[in-house]
Amino acid sequence: AQTVTQSQPEMSVQEAETVTLSCTYDTSESDYYLFWYKQPPSRQMILVIRQEAYKQQNATENRFSVNFQKAAKSFSLKISDSQLGDAAMYFCAYFFGTTSGTYKYIFGTGTRLKVLA
Amino acid sequence: DTGVSQDPRHKITKRGQNVTFRCDPISEHNRLYWYRQTLGQGPEFLTYFQNEAQLEKSRLLSDRFSAERPKGSFSTLEIQRTEQGDSAMYLCASRQEGAGELFFGEGSRLTVL
Repeated sequence: AQTVTQSQPEMSVQEAETVTLSCTYDTSESDYYLFWYKQPPSRQMILVIRQEAYKQQNATENRFSVNFQKAAKSFSLKISDSQLGDAAMYFCAYFFGTTSGTYKYIFGTGTRLKVLA
Repeated sequence: DTGVSQDPRHKITKRGQNVTFRCDPISEHNRLYWYRQTLGQGPEFLTYFQNEAQLEKSRLLSDRFSAERPKGSFSTLEIQRTEQGDSAMYLCASRQEGAGELFFGEGSRLTVL
């Protein structure tokens, strides 16, 4: 069964510093997508960054980048120059197609990121 | 485009009552998902629609839960005979065909007393 594990329930980072959030997943599929979503307090979840499994190059979106290690089934998120607005729950998600033709997302349990001024 | 909207945002009910949540997805999105999220946890899949067809239901979805998406537009999630364990945030999300971003609503928080 596909699973997504986020082993860090909570992380803290000083403003302007860099932090890395970890995510590992388990799958036997070769074709899938990985996402990081951000959920600010009492606000809706929004996409931070995505990675297609067939791409070797790590995705980057401004201050956000990933370290995708397909063989190790690892997908970490690096936030550079952390800002107060980065404080939120971060969820790693795995997206794949099933044999029945549907598409599913599996989410991790989340990492709460605190940004210290 | 106003995004995914959910109504009501918060519902307080007594055990045994029925509740219904509504989700209006982004208009061009034909895929719609319902998730449940409890405190400190990630979203758990409940059910998935492609247009008006409900293609998959989680085993989490007991017989007390039913979801519809008439005409492939808005969707409703009904919980009958609510129990305290049903207290959670119910999230709706939609996406376009093809592997892509899920767009979430702000959620409907259910509190069962």
